[in-house]
Amino acid sequence: GAVVSQHPSWVICKSGTSVKIECRSLDFQATTMFWYRQFPKQSLMLMATSNEGSKATYEQGVEKDKFLINHASLTLSTLTVTSAHPEDSSFYICSAQQPGQGFNSPLHFGNGTRLTVT
Amino acid sequence: AQTVTQSQPEMSVQEAETVTLSCTYDTSESDYYLFWYKQPPSRQMILVIRQEAYKQQNATENRFSVNFQKAAKSFSLKISDSQLGDAAMYFCAYLSGSRLTFGEGTQLTVNP
Repeated sequence: GAVVSQHPSWVICKSGTSVKIECRSLDFQATTMFWYRQFPKQSLMLMATSNEGSKATYEQGVEKDKFLINHASLTLSTLTVTSAHPEDSSFYICSAQQPGQGFNSPLHFGNGTRLTVT
Repeated sequence: AQTVTQSQPEMSVQEAETVTLSCTYDTSESDYYLFWYKQPPSRQMILVIRQEAYKQQNATENRFSVNFQKAAKSFSLKISDSQLGDAAMYFCAYLSGSRLTFGEGTQLTVNP
């Protein structure tokens, strides 16, 4: 089956520094990838939609200068949390859409990254 | 905008019994997919079952089945013969095009 790899699985960084999270589709080409944020005991909230070769589309309320998304290839999207602060501590999950299966192609999720900002 | 509502924040079931998780959604579209995802403590999102809106027949996957009522915009999940490994957070989700919208989640506890 389709596999999405997310790295790192957890990271601790100091306030004011930046951290990059990678999302890779291992056995398929993903033209579209998605980034979600999940607070403890809450649902997944879509942050942005990442399209290969073009700018990401951010959801309302998500700061695009703080959460930089790059989708430079068909198998890799990265999320960089810039100048991280403790309130950015959260669980971040990516998903990739497997193309070629119709308008509503299935989504495959990475294992998530737990970010702690001290 | 589409919304997905799960009115049961927590549910519990005895091992080997049956439990039903509720989900309703709001949409003006006619072509969409509905999903149930399971998120165990590992936080991995695991697809449990999916339903195409144009299909009248309810989807089933082994012990998991759905009751899809399109007119009522209801999509409940039934878990039969519950097992300890079924304990997790369950999310109902709506997919139209590329956008996946999740409900608030239901925390399922399975009692031995």
